[in-house]
Amino acid sequence: AQTVTQSQPEMSVQEAETVTLSCTYDTSENNYYLFWYKQPPSRQMILVIRQEAYKQQNATENRFSVNFQKAAKSFSLKISDSQLGDTAMYFCAFMKPYGGATNKLIFGTGTLLAVQP
Amino acid sequence: SQTIHQWPATLVQPVGSPLSLECTVEGTSNPNLYWYRQAAGRGLQLLFYSVGIGQISSEVPQNLSASRPQDRQFILSSKKLLLSDSGFYLCACTRGNTEAFFGQGTRLTVV
Repeated sequence: AQTVTQSQPEMSVQEAETVTLSCTYDTSENNYYLFWYKQPPSRQMILVIRQEAYKQQNATENRFSVNFQKAAKSFSLKISDSQLGDTAMYFCAFMKPYGGATNKLIFGTGTLLAVQP
Repeated sequence: SQTIHQWPATLVQPVGSPLSLECTVEGTSNPNLYWYRQAAGRGLQLLFYSVGIGQISSEVPQNLSASRPQDRQFILSSKKLLLSDSGFYLCACTRGNTEAFFGQGTRLTVV
């Protein structure tokens, strides 16, 4: 079974600095999708970034980028120029790209990020 | 794109009372549907998922059940709530290889 591990329960960063959140996963699959979701205090889940496992190029969305290391099964999120609005819980998630019963979305336990002014 | 409607947003129920949370999806057909529970300050625990009408898979044994009477409707139920059922419940859907879409969540407090 697939598992997703986030080893940093809480992190803190100064405004305008860079922070990296870690995520590792375990799977025997070769094709899959990885996600980072943000959950602000409103508790609405917001997609931050998505990575397809068959793509070697790391995904980037504005200030957010990932370091995807497929062999190491690592998927870290880098937030550059941190802003106060980045304060949130961040979840790493894994999904196999097949239909039917195997297409489950599995989440890590989350990292609570606090951006300090 | 998909939209998920989840209600109610907040619910306070006494121990031993029944529960029914409803989730409906717009903008897609034949989605995979999920119920997650999130304890305060914790991660998302997958409770149930469904790949089609009447098809429900349970991830953890518990006091809750789920049903999918229509393609885009997913219901979370309990016959008798326990204090430990308190938490934040999220409904989500996926369709093929797309991202997951989430409802606004229901904050359930069992007193």
